[in-house]
Amino acid sequence: AQSVSQHNHHVILSEAASLELGCNYSYGGTVNLFWYVQYPGQHLQLLLKYFSGDPLVKGIKGFEAEFIKSKFSFNLRKPSVQWSDTAEYFCAVNPGGATNKLIFGTGTLLAVQP
Amino acid sequence: GAGVSQSPRYKVAKRGQDVALRCDPISGHVSLFWYQQALGQGPEFLTYFQNEAQLDKSGLPSDRFFAERPEGSVSTLKIQRTQQEDSAVYLCASSLQAGGTGTQYFGPGTRLLVL
Repeated sequence: AQSVSQHNHHVILSEAASLELGCNYSYGGTVNLFWYVQYPGQHLQLLLKYFSGDPLVKGIKGFEAEFIKSKFSFNLRKPSVQWSDTAEYFCAVNPGGATNKLIFGTGTLLAVQP
Repeated sequence: GAGVSQSPRYKVAKRGQDVALRCDPISGHVSLFWYQQALGQGPEFLTYFQNEAQLDKSGLPSDRFFAERPEGSVSTLKIQRTQQEDSAVYLCASSLQAGGTGTQYFGPGTRLLVL
């Protein structure tokens, strides 16, 4: 079945550690890719998105993601996390074509220890 | 500026009751989406409006779920004869554009508990 997979459900890091969260999808053709973040008690908000062009995209708060078409992956990275990055992170795919909906992964809960 | 707002923020319903959930999108946004988020899961698509037209309702789980956006602004998601499995957070999102590349701005959600 077509899906979006986030293999890390819970991640615990110390401040200043590097972060990489995996995201794989199973849709063929042209897709639009997103990472959303939900900080404790807040709404889902966009971190970054990829439609075309440079496969390395930069988002807010020092986050970046790399689209690797051959691996159907869109992993999220940050070189040095802060306590304030504690949140839940969702990868999402718009499969393109006539649909405008987003298909979300199950999310990764990141806890950064001070 | 004002973001997407939803009301009520919390709703407790007895099994079998009807509920109505409201979404106020960002002014001028063409696209409006409803998602359902069960505990420990990512949001799952329910339905999509482009202005007042409901263009995609493929995610509605049953005919007990009904959504409308009669004037192309405020939207209401109605669930008839609620069941325990309907317990979830219902998220509304709006987007300025009509296509799938636009950023979707999410509201705070309505947490529905069906007893």
